[in-house]
Amino acid sequence: KQEVTQIPAALSVPEGENLVLNCSFTDSAIYNLQWFRQDPGKGLTSLLLIQSSQREQTSGRLNASLDKSSGRSTLYIAASQPGDSATYLCAVLIQGAQKLVFGQGTRLTINP
Amino acid sequence: EPEVTQTPSHQVTQMGQEVILRCVPISNHLYFYWYRQILGQKVEFLVSFYNNEISEKSEIFDDQFSVERPDGSNFTLKIRSTKLEDSAMYFCASSPRTGYKDTQYFGPGTRLTVL
Repeated sequence: KQEVTQIPAALSVPEGENLVLNCSFTDSAIYNLQWFRQDPGKGLTSLLLIQSSQREQTSGRLNASLDKSSGRSTLYIAASQPGDSATYLCAVLIQGAQKLVFGQGTRLTINP
Repeated sequence: EPEVTQTPSHQVTQMGQEVILRCVPISNHLYFYWYRQILGQKVEFLVSFYNNEISEKSEIFDDQFSVERPDGSNFTLKIRSTKLEDSAMYFCASSPRTGYKDTQYFGPGTRLTVL
């Protein structure tokens, strides 16, 4: 059974820092991995999708990497801003299925 | 930019009552999903739907749950007899094709509170 874990559970940093969020998954048989942002009480906003054949994806200040063989992904946020404060979720789409399996998220706080 | 919409945003119901949660997926999408998130827990898959039938469901999706696409735009989740433990945020999602290449786009969610 696929398990997705995110470390750390919470992170608080001053504005302007570069930071890394980690995601690990137990079964490498995945189609893709997505990173989402969730604001309190709100829905999920897709940030980046990495296909299983890809190593990384970039969007603005965000860069996500994927090492499928070791079951790891990182989300790198450059020059963090207070508006980046949210919970970041990673999810994998497992092969042979259409369901996303989510991690528990990292709650990020950027202090002005 | 097209969005998935969900109504209502918040539903309060008494235990044992039936509820219907409504979703309007993005118009050219073919795959539809329901997920839920109990407060403080992970987002969990409930069901996927394609070509007017369930394509996959989780152990959570028991006989109390049903899904329907009653017309060309709406996608609904029905809970026949709600329990306290059904209290959660319910998310609808859609994708244009089979999900392996495509992002699943999520709606803003319906918060269901069962009293």
